[in-house]
Amino acid sequence: DQQVKQNSPSLSVQEGRISILNCDYTNSMFDYFLWYKKYPAEGPTFLISISSIKDKNEDGRFTVFLNKSAKHLSLHIVPSQPGDSAVYFCAATNFGSSNTGKLIFGQGTTLQVKP
Amino acid sequence: EAQVTQNPRYLITVTGKKLTVTCSQNMNHEYMSWYRQDPGLGLRQIYYSMNVEVTDKGDVPEGYKVSRKEKRNFPLILESPSPNQTSLYFCASSRPGSYNEQFFGPGTRLTVL
Repeated sequence: DQQVKQNSPSLSVQEGRISILNCDYTNSMFDYFLWYKKYPAEGPTFLISISSIKDKNEDGRFTVFLNKSAKHLSLHIVPSQPGDSAVYFCAATNFGSSNTGKLIFGQGTTLQVKP
Repeated sequence: EAQVTQNPRYLITVTGKKLTVTCSQNMNHEYMSWYRQDPGLGLRQIYYSMNVEVTDKGDVPEGYKVSRKEKRNFPLILESPSPNQTSLYFCASSRPGSYNEQFFGPGTRLTVL
């Protein structure tokens, strides 16, 4: 049973436009969410995170929005650049009650930003 | 340079031949973890370690062993590999109190014939 789902395997956008990557989760105990970016032949790298007590977190061109009632989060990249082309993984964890460091990942979305 | 290293990066082996994938980090991180990445399934945690001599199962531990005798090293052992363990493996580590923001190694692509 996939607790974290990224239903769009791929996304293609034009350089300079907004990229929106979506993620849904089913476990209401998740209280911390992260996005990782992965280039080919490299390991994932941490991008941005958000605690469940917030509904938005911004870091430069990257903004993560959390809608707890809908159990949905999204990553916005504005403006998109060709170097943003990568696989993006959404991840969730129950940080508050038992911080075992366990991350539950989504399947990933491949973003292609066209020049 | 702060990093997580894995060896080997690529490995082709045969069913039943024991193998070890090494993982080492130079950031003095207490927390280390192993994941496997499979198409359509994302990354799934195999084992994790909160500190030296402390290890625990993740979501898919069957067929794997780990040990944590030193803080910097966290090897993944496949005693009798099978074709369903063909996958891309990642080791990760993180700072105390920041277990969620994990630093990942470059990955080991394993093929079991």
